Amino acid sequence: SYELTQPPSVSVSPGQTARITCSGDALPKQYAYWYQQKPGQAPVLVIYKDIERPSGIPERFSGSSSGTTVTLTISGVQAEDEAGYYCQSTDTSGTVVFGGGTKLTVL
Amino acid sequence: QLQLQESGPGLVKPSETLSLTCTVSGGSISSSSFYWGWIRQPPGKGLEWIGNIYYSGSTYYNPSLKSRVTISVDTSKNQFSLKLSSVTAADTAVYYCARGRAVGATPNYYFDYWGQGTLVTVSS
Repeated sequence: SYELTQPPSVSVSPGQTARITCSGDALPKQYAYWYQQKPGQAPVLVIYKDIERPSGIPERFSGSSSGTTVTLTISGVQAEDEAGYYCQSTDTSGTVVFGGGTKLTVL
Repeated sequence: QLQLQESGPGLVKPSETLSLTCTVSGGSISSSSFYWGWIRQPPGKGLEWIGNIYYSGSTYYNPSLKSRVTISVDTSKNQFSLKLSSVTAADTAVYYCARGRAVGATPNYYFDYWGQGTLVTVSS
């Protein structure tokens, strides 16, 4: 079955840049999406179609894509950005797949 | 503002059927632009897609759960529902309903509105 691979954890100091990667064989052909999830809350969409940012999401959140890897970048990380981040895509048969999630710690 | 709310029993016995309903408010479930999905998250673990339904009744299921899952829609009540049969402790999770959008010719879905989630525990 299709898999999306994320690092389990990423740590950064406030004000620095956090980069969270997601790798998958179908990513050159299928868009990726990113969700932020804080404890006890539902996920929130922060990036769609690889690079687009929904209204209401701060500009410090950005997405990029290169080959089989997509990256969520958070510039000028703030304490409130500490959360779990999940990438998501769809395989070529239409099955929705989530990455395993990355815990972002703001030191 | 679109809102989704899950409802259903919080405790289900092993081997029985889990049944949840998602009520959509602030928008029509019959819109041709959207799909409606179920996603679950076991305690302390990641997200798992269960399936989507279109207002017409077309369904798309996770192959790993397909034999046990039924998703249906009731446009008159602006609701859609999930049934998961033969549950075990491994089905214990927070269950979310969400609005899905499709991109491109090969269905590529994402979820832009989510319910708050409801914890379902499978235990005797």
